[in-house]
Amino acid sequence: EAGVAQSPRYKIIEKRQSVAFWCNPISGHATLYWYQQILGQGPKLLIQFQNNGVVDDSQLPKDRFSAERLKGVDSTLKIQPAKLEDSAVYLCASSPPDTPSGGYTFGSGTRLTVV
Amino acid sequence: AQSVAQPEDQVNVAEGNPLTVKCTYSVSGNPYLFWYVQYPNRGLQFLLKYITGDNLVKGSYGFEAEFNKSQTSFHLKKPSALVSDSALYFCAVRDLTGGGNKLTFGTGTQLKVEL
Repeated sequence: EAGVAQSPRYKIIEKRQSVAFWCNPISGHATLYWYQQILGQGPKLLIQFQNNGVVDDSQLPKDRFSAERLKGVDSTLKIQPAKLEDSAVYLCASSPPDTPSGGYTFGSGTRLTVV
Repeated sequence: AQSVAQPEDQVNVAEGNPLTVKCTYSVSGNPYLFWYVQYPNRGLQFLLKYITGDNLVKGSYGFEAEFNKSQTSFHLKKPSALVSDSALYFCAVRDLTGGGNKLTFGTGTQLKVEL
């Protein structure tokens, strides 16, 4: 099966600019996650969707980050305006609806550099 | 909240020698534990998981992990290391706090296998 697709692979922007990332999960996976991985740290969950509804966005900086998953398939994550500390790899993952025991598949990520 | 700790930032081992990457966990309830590997500029790849049952879990690429409830540990092991095993390894635990079903990751351990 095709994996989790993410684009772009790399992005360099200046602080205060806006940026958007795109994710297409594995077909049939109802749950979609966005993680932020800062250099030297483990990935941290930003937001979890179940179909097109938000399940957990408690760690999403809502003053500058937004995400949507229209139609319950692909998703976009936006940052506006970006700060230097947003430089990180943004990972998208998906899992089937009945996955109490795991089954998370990750995309290759988007590496964002804010200068 | 659920958490995992990886006490070593880096582990160095000679090719052909056994390797161990350490992980300890702190959870309420039964732990669902995972190991992922990350190669440069790549996403996270699933290695293995412990849900229940046998304390020795076998995974991909010859890796295995031992669940030890009394020591709250889930160390990753391989009997004979390869240079190609050099990568960043993450321990993770399933975390249901916040209403979601996410993975909470450790800080990662860089494994370096040398000839």
